[in-house]
Amino acid sequence: KNEVEQSPQNLTAQEGEFITINCSYSVGISALHWLQQHPGGGIVSLFMLSSGKKKHGRLIATINIQEKHSSLHITASHPRDSAVYICAVSGGSNYKLTFGKGTLLTVNP
Amino acid sequence: DTGVSQNPRHKITKRGQNVTFRCDPISEHNRLYWYRQTLGQGPEFLTYFQNEAQLEKSRLLSDRFSAERPKGSFSTLEIQRTEQGDSAMYLCASSPRAGDTQYFGPGTRLTVL
Repeated sequence: KNEVEQSPQNLTAQEGEFITINCSYSVGISALHWLQQHPGGGIVSLFMLSSGKKKHGRLIATINIQEKHSSLHITASHPRDSAVYICAVSGGSNYKLTFGKGTLLTVNP
Repeated sequence: DTGVSQNPRHKITKRGQNVTFRCDPISEHNRLYWYRQTLGQGPEFLTYFQNEAQLEKSRLLSDRFSAERPKGSFSTLEIQRTEQGDSAMYLCASSPRAGDTQYFGPGTRLTVL
């Protein structure tokens, strides 16, 4: 079973700060996913990556397959970025997601 | 495309009652997943379908739980004889094909009194 660990569990930042959330996993995967969850439930997929780096707007996701580690960066953070960010991995023929516990990000104005 | 929808959004029930949730995936997505999320935790896998076939069930899914996807479109998740430990957010996700991005519905929040 794949264990997915995220750090930190909670993160408070001031608007404009550069933010990094880390994720590590224990077993080889086919893909790693970063997701965003706002209060009230809805989960949105931000990135799915299996190697290298992806960028979308102010968000950047990187993965190091050898070290089984990924990072999510947010540049020029904004209060609207406040949410829970969840790392998940998929592997095997079922492609089910195994999730970390999430990182609660609060960005203050 | 309207996205993944789930109904109801909230359900409050008494212990011992049966409940049924519905998930409507994005049209023509042949993979459909059910997950459960309790407070402060990440979601956990329950079961998934490839078209109408249920291909895997988690050990979390006791005999009181049953899921169907009769025509390979919408899916239902039924919980019989609910227990307080069943209180959680039940999430549905769909993807076009195996290995593609999963698109999540808004979830059904179940409270068992």
